[in-house]
Amino acid sequence: AQKITQTQPGMFVQEKEAVTLDCTYDTSDPSYGLFWYKQPSSGEMIFLIYQGSYDQQNATEGRYSLNFQKARKSANLVISASQLGDSAMYFCAMRGTSSNTGKLIFGQGTTLQVKP
Amino acid sequence: DAGVIQSPRHEVTEMGQEVTLRCKPISGHNSLFWYRQTMMRGLELLIYFNNNVPIDDSGMPEDRFSAKMPNASFSTLKIQPSEPRDSAVYFCASSPVTGGTQETQYFGPGTRLLVL
Repeated sequence: AQKITQTQPGMFVQEKEAVTLDCTYDTSDPSYGLFWYKQPSSGEMIFLIYQGSYDQQNATEGRYSLNFQKARKSANLVISASQLGDSAMYFCAMRGTSSNTGKLIFGQGTTLQVKP
Repeated sequence: DAGVIQSPRHEVTEMGQEVTLRCKPISGHNSLFWYRQTMMRGLELLIYFNNNVPIDDSGMPEDRFSAKMPNASFSTLKIQPSEPRDSAVYFCASSPVTGGTQETQYFGPGTRLLVL
């Protein structure tokens, strides 16, 4: 069975500093994708970044980067130069290929608060 | 380009009433997903359509829930009769079908449902 674990219910970071949000996963699929979404207090789910299991390099999107360690089954999100607008809930998600349903499995989320 | 559109954004109803949630996916996306988000259970997939055909409805809680996708640009999720435990945020998401794991799902703003 596939599973996503986010062990940090809440995190604080000072504005302009970097922060790492942890995500570990479990899957038996040889090929899979990992996603991070942001959910601000307004409620919408915003796609941030994607990492494929066979990608040679860690994904980056602006201030977001993914620290992908395949052997450890971790896909941590790194936010550089935190801004007040980064305060939100962050979800790690995974999609495998074995079931071929396109289903995303989500973690429980991490709430990030950026302090001025 | 317009994102995923959901209506209504908020719905308050009384137990026993029928509730219909609507979704318009992003044009050109072949896959459509309905999710439910609660504090207790997090984000859970209810049903997934591919090319208007239901592929995986294993997450539909019970017979009170039904979903349809009569064409590529419209889907409904119906709850009849509604119960207080159905209170949640219901998200619709769509994704293109490209093959593989990099089929990013883009979420609508959600419908906040409160059943009294």
